[in-house]
Formats: sequence, structure tokens, C-alpha cells
Amino acid sequence: NAGVMQNPRHLVRRRGQEARLRCSPMKGHSHVYWYRQLPEEGLKFMVYLQKENIIDESGMPKERFSAEFPKEGPSILRIQQVVRGDSAAYFCASSPEQGMGTEAFFGQGTRLTVV
Amino acid sequence: GESVGLHLPTLSVQEGDNSIINCAYSNSASDYFIWYKQESGKGPQFIIDIRSNMDKRQGQRVTVLLNKTVKHLSLQIAATQPGDSAVYFCAENRGGYQKVTFGIGTKLQVIP
Repeated sequence: NAGVMQNPRHLVRRRGQEARLRCSPMKGHSHVYWYRQLPEEGLKFMVYLQKENIIDESGMPKERFSAEFPKEGPSILRIQQVVRGDSAAYFCASSPEQGMGTEAFFGQGTRLTVV
Repeated sequence: GESVGLHLPTLSVQEGDNSIINCAYSNSASDYFIWYKQESGKGPQFIIDIRSNMDKRQGQRVTVLLNKTVKHLSLQIAATQPGDSAVYFCAENRGGYQKVTFGIGTKLQVIP
């Protein structure tokens, strides 16, 4: 059973371009969470999705950022018109169900560099 | 405001000694806490968790202590090994799902 798969591992974009980050949850997991980590900082919650539904996007910037988790395929975090401040590591986690005590498994992350 | 923070940014420990990593939280309503280990270039890895109705929980070589009176959480690692070198985050889980609030992290350096 493969773990949470994120791709690409590294992504370089010029200012103004679009970045698409993909996350394939563990098999059997229907809950996906996206986090952003700046250097030397902890992870900041962005968005929580279930299949075809956004449950909580309170940590995601209102502009330029969007997320989806379609019925088929990976979850996508999309950043439009990237700026230097978007440079960070973006982590995805998945869990089989919601609720406290449900361990979430993290992927290896996508490191986005905006030049 | 609500936050989860750590006392020490870096901790150096001799191999074989015990390590203690501390964490303070400010939200008295927090009811579930998790310790994560993050190695360089990797995602966080679950170590151990504890609910607010407990004071102590033990795992393999690790123990988490929770003091709700002073809103303090600690992670103890017994017989620290070089493979324990990483950044350790305490995290707070609220909202009934994995909307986890992470602290800044403590970097543990094990001296061989």
C-alpha cells in the first residue's frame, strides 16, 4: 500500500505563471488536507477536502488559490499568477475518516520555488 | 490569540541520553495533541498522540506528558539515537478532523 504521493517533488515557476500540485491519497482514504510550510516554520493548514467537496478552506488565501478533489484522480492545489511569497513546501495528508484520533499520513511534499 | 509554540528552537543531546522537547499551548479548549517528527526533505511523521483526558502516554522509546494546568506538553525520547535527529513539532487538533495547528518546531541534534 503506497503512501501519500505528491508530485512534482520540486516545481519552479516564474512570477505570474500557474502552479499545479497533485496529491494522491493512500488507498482507501477519502479525506485530504493541504498544508503550507515556510522555511523554519511549522505547517499551516490550508484546506480540507473530501471526494468532490471542500469541507474547510479557512486557511487558504481567497485569491489565486483553489483546491479540488474529484471523484476520480488526485487532489489538485492550484495557484494562479504565482508570486515570490508563494515559495514554500506544500504538504498533503490523507486519512480514512475524520475525527480526533484518526492519524493522517503526510506525503513528501512539493517544494515550490517562484523566480 | 490561539497558538501552539515551543520553548527551544534547537536541542543538542548526546547519543544514548534522554531528550525532552517542550511545547506550550494557549487554547485551554484544545483537546487533542500530536507530536510529529520531520526529517530533512520529508513530510511530518506521526509519533504519538494524547487526548486531554490523559496526563501521560507511552510508546516505543517515547513518552508524551500533558499538563493542562499550565498548558504544557512534552515529548521524552529515551536513549536518543542518531536517527532521532529531526525537527519535532507539537500540534493541536481541533474541529473534529485533522485541521491540525502546528507549532514552529524544535530541531533535535544528536551528538554521536
